[in-house]
Parts: sequence; C-alpha cells; structure tokens
Amino acid sequence: DGGITQSPKYLFRKEGQNVTLSCEQNLNHDAMYWYRQDPGQGLRLIYYSQIVNDFQKGDIAEGYSVSREKKESFPLTVTSAQKNPTAFYLCASSNGLAAMGEQFFGPGTRLTVL
Amino acid sequence: AQRVTQPEKLLSVFKGAPVELKCNYSYSGSPELFWYVQYSRQRLQLLLRHISRESIKGFTADLNKGETSFHLKKPFAQEEDSAMYYCALLQRGFQKLVFGTGTRLLVSP
Repeated sequence: DGGITQSPKYLFRKEGQNVTLSCEQNLNHDAMYWYRQDPGQGLRLIYYSQIVNDFQKGDIAEGYSVSREKKESFPLTVTSAQKNPTAFYLCASSNGLAAMGEQFFGPGTRLTVL
Repeated sequence: AQRVTQPEKLLSVFKGAPVELKCNYSYSGSPELFWYVQYSRQRLQLLLRHISRESIKGFTADLNKGETSFHLKKPFAQEEDSAMYYCALLQRGFQKLVFGTGTRLLVSP
C-alpha cells in the first residue's frame, strides 16, 4: 500500500518543541497538501504546494511551516507557536490541475503534545 | 464564503434500509463536488465525483444546483458501508478542496 507514506504514525513531543512530520509520495504527483483532522471539524487545510519550490497557506497555517525542495517530499513543521498542536495530520497529493479534486491520502500521523 | 455543510454528525440505519447523507454547498461559480470515505483503519479515499455521474459500491450522488446540494444515496445499506463520509468542494481558482465536517454512517445488522 505505497503511494504516500507518512512517518511516524504516532509522535509525542513536549510543549514548546518544534516537530517535523514527514510526507513522501512516489506517484509523481505535482501537488501536495497538509490537512489537520479534528473530531467534529472535518479536514482543514494547513498548507499546499502545486509545484516544487512553491507553496501556499491554507485556512489554518498559523504556527506551521513547510518546504517543498523535492517533488516527492513535503515535510510539515509544527512550531511552538501553534496553540493547539495535538491532532491527526493527513498528507495528500494530486496529479496536476486537471485532477486536483482527486486527492490521494497518506495514513496520517497522530501528534500528541504533552 | 465558499462552504460545505454536512448537517448530520451521525447517521444510524439498519442493514437493507435506504441511506441519504446530506451535503449542501455555497459557491459562486460552477461547482465541482466529491464524496470521500474513510473506513475504519483505512486511508481517506475518493468515493465518487459528480462530474463522472457514476455509481460506486451502490452509491450515487446528484448535483442539484437549485438546492445547492450533493446528497449521497444508496438504496440498500450494507454493514460494510459503515464509515466516515466527507463531502468536498473544489475551489478551482485556489486549486484546493474544501471539506465538510463529515458524517459518520453506522449500519447495524
């Protein structure tokens, strides 16, 4: 079940520490996305990237940062400025502008900040 | 504002009963809508898209522009349909999807 991988599956960090979540895809997709999934709130877009070396803020970008140095990788850093970082994080990718509605998702990373 | 509304957090039905998961949207342009599904311990995945007018696993969804709705329907629910369902709207100008809050479907034997 390859395609998009996220690591680790579970992550624990102390309050005040930055943490980086990994997302890798071997689908040769141009676009990649980071979502946060909270109970009762659905999926909310954090950051997205349509092409290497370019990315845009989503709806809840505050306290997060990303980079897109390689087509296959889109790591997300949760900084200490994020007020409520404990959540389930999903990464996704899509194949270009024509298919951007069809997104392929990773298994997710559950981050718990203690 | 462009928004997707799924009014039901939980929908509980018996096996063999009809199912309708509601989705309403607000969008100024020509909408492109999708249903995504997340089964227990599986990844979120695309179920169907309105533009294809397809039936997947017995589910259909018709875009009703007059009522700004894209409800997901199945005439006879199966236990394996139990999952979390998300309706999503493509904001083509911003190149991103907007998701609803999701509805959990529980099909009991």
